[in-house]
Amino acid sequence: ETGVTQSPTHLIKTRGQQVTLRCSSQSGHNTVSWYQQALGQGPQFIFQYYREEENGRGNFPPRFSGLQFPNYSSELNVNALELDDSALYLCASSTTQGVQETQYFGPGTRLLVL
Amino acid sequence: ELKVEQNPLFLSMQEGKNYTIYCNYSTTSDRLYWYRQDPGKSLESLFVLLSNGAVKQEGRLMASLDTKARLSTLHITAAVHDLSATYFCAVDGSYGGATNKLIFGTGTLLAVQP
Repeated sequence: ETGVTQSPTHLIKTRGQQVTLRCSSQSGHNTVSWYQQALGQGPQFIFQYYREEENGRGNFPPRFSGLQFPNYSSELNVNALELDDSALYLCASSTTQGVQETQYFGPGTRLLVL
Repeated sequence: ELKVEQNPLFLSMQEGKNYTIYCNYSTTSDRLYWYRQDPGKSLESLFVLLSNGAVKQEGRLMASLDTKARLSTLHITAAVHDLSATYFCAVDGSYGGATNKLIFGTGTLLAVQP
């Protein structure tokens, strides 16, 4: 167990709907990164939050947005869901950048868009 | 744009045999990670390689990093069935410090047959 938790574990939505996924980081970690993993592929970096600010973004459209709260937990919001958004969404937490530290992944939220 | 390639994509091997998974990346980075993923599960951190020539070993797995060749290898010694999983390498998109914005390879699905 990494100490990173995510909710919900599974979710089914229909096209056009909106979804919010949640992540609680490991104690002492102030950075949260979100990844999308489509079936049979490697995870793709969506964005990262550091001290409540977005700190880098991958190649994802603006309908993917996020928040980080003072306790360093985070949310990923996806608007106007598309079928291709069906994937495993992983969050990972880490400590202050520049430190020789790996990041620890949560169990993921599996999203199915119908 | 940083790209990470792994080969082979699929590896079927017999118990007791040795094999190597290769990870090539396209731009300068001095921080490479190996993860394991079991079916339907999240990512488990195996190794963090932080400098040229770094070698780390854990049980039957040994990872190395050659930053000049932009190559990392994951060597499996005397494989056992419990090692069956998908293995990912990932590269930090920066140089000289951790950003934890990882670019993942395509993954290698390892199946160890009795």
